[in-house]
Amino acid sequence: QVHLQESGPGLVRPSEILSLTCAVSGGSVTDDNWWSWVRQPPEKGLEWIGQVYRRGTTNYNPSLRSRVTISIAQSENQISLRLSSVTAADTAMYYCVKHGGKYLDLWGRGTLVTVSS
Amino acid sequence: QSALTQPASVSGSPGQSITVSCTGTNSDVGAFNYVSWFQQHPGKAPKLIIYDVSNRPSGVSNRFSGSKSGSTASLTISGLQAEDEADYYCTSYTTTISYVFGTGTKVTVL
Repeated sequence: QVHLQESGPGLVRPSEILSLTCAVSGGSVTDDNWWSWVRQPPEKGLEWIGQVYRRGTTNYNPSLRSRVTISIAQSENQISLRLSSVTAADTAMYYCVKHGGKYLDLWGRGTLVTVSS
Repeated sequence: QSALTQPASVSGSPGQSITVSCTGTNSDVGAFNYVSWFQQHPGKAPKLIIYDVSNRPSGVSNRFSGSKSGSTASLTISGLQAEDEADYYCTSYTTTISYVFGTGTKVTVL
């Protein structure tokens, strides 16, 4: 059974870089599936951020593409998210998700990131 | 890309059936049979309950069913139970190789 665990700083300053990792256990990031990041601002809806495939191929939400980088660290069996030039609007719960085809299948518990000075 | 449109809230009495709609465009819902639905209880991560329009993952109650007509997808919950009270989100794969979520629907069991 694959398990996903997100981690990273809970507080990021405005204009800085938000950096998160997702540790995968019970499976490998090189398995034949995509991995996505999804976020949810407090009391608001879900927003897809982007996805990465085992060979490093990525696709991003057009509204975030200029600020987002998602990558795979094979040796650590992790997926990473970097979001630059953050503002208060980037305050959210960030989820790591394993795909099962063209759908978001298995979700991590999420990690809350607050952008504030 | 704009969020898919869902009603803000739907309610029903125990044992009744309710339907949640999810309206998109011919660039997302109408383009593929890749609509999925998630259930989210307060403080919890979303849980997949329907994928590829009408398929249920193993372990999900058969009281949940999905369908699609044109650019509108629907989630039906039959035999409504207290534990079904939650937020529900649809999502669709899109022609721009991305995913778009619905605005979310709060289901209340009266």
